[in-house]
Amino acid sequence: GAGVSQTPSNKVTEKGKYVELRCDPISGHTALYWYRQSLGQGPEFLIYFQGTGAADDSGLPNDRFFAVRPEGSVSTLKIQRTERGDSAVYLCASSPRGGGEQYFGPGTRLTVT
Amino acid sequence: GENVEQHPSTLSVQEGDSAVIKCTYSDSASNYFPWYKQELGKGPQLIIDIRSNVGEKKDQRIAVTLNKTAKHFSLHITETQPEDSAVYFCAASSHFRNEKLTFGTGTRLTIIP
Repeated sequence: GAGVSQTPSNKVTEKGKYVELRCDPISGHTALYWYRQSLGQGPEFLIYFQGTGAADDSGLPNDRFFAVRPEGSVSTLKIQRTERGDSAVYLCASSPRGGGEQYFGPGTRLTVT
Repeated sequence: GENVEQHPSTLSVQEGDSAVIKCTYSDSASNYFPWYKQELGKGPQLIIDIRSNVGEKKDQRIAVTLNKTAKHFSLHITETQPEDSAVYFCAASSHFRNEKLTFGTGTRLTIIP
């Protein structure tokens, strides 16, 4: 079946701009996660949704970062006033239930110039 | 919070030989330990996982062992093939606290034909 999809695959934006990154989880998966991966590092947790609600947003670095999942399926990660340090690959993962296996999408490579 | 250390950072193995990657974790509440394979430009792919009530799990050429007392777990790949070349990440999470995965820093495995 279809895996996790993320759009766009690449995004280049100027410092100070606003960006939205989209994640389509595997159908029927109730849990959704966002991670950020810098070059040469492992993914770092940002936020976890169980259904429509954010169950854990402790990994969001500051209030410029926000994520939503209004209908319990597609999620959007929103970054305001982007900074060069936000450049990274943003990964989305979904799981059939909380505490289960997490399946990752291909990621969105964000470059802030 | 959880801290996961992974060794070695790079590993070169002759085709057909075995490869072993080791990880240690700090949080005794962690009870789920997946391993991911990441190829260039792709998202992490779950290859095997183990839960804390099991000491060893095997899937064809891949096996994972867990020592809860010492807080370490290892990935074993036997009869390595060129397509095993990738970056491998270990991770840990606790279902009793939150669902986030804490990743190691990765091991770049190169299989020499």
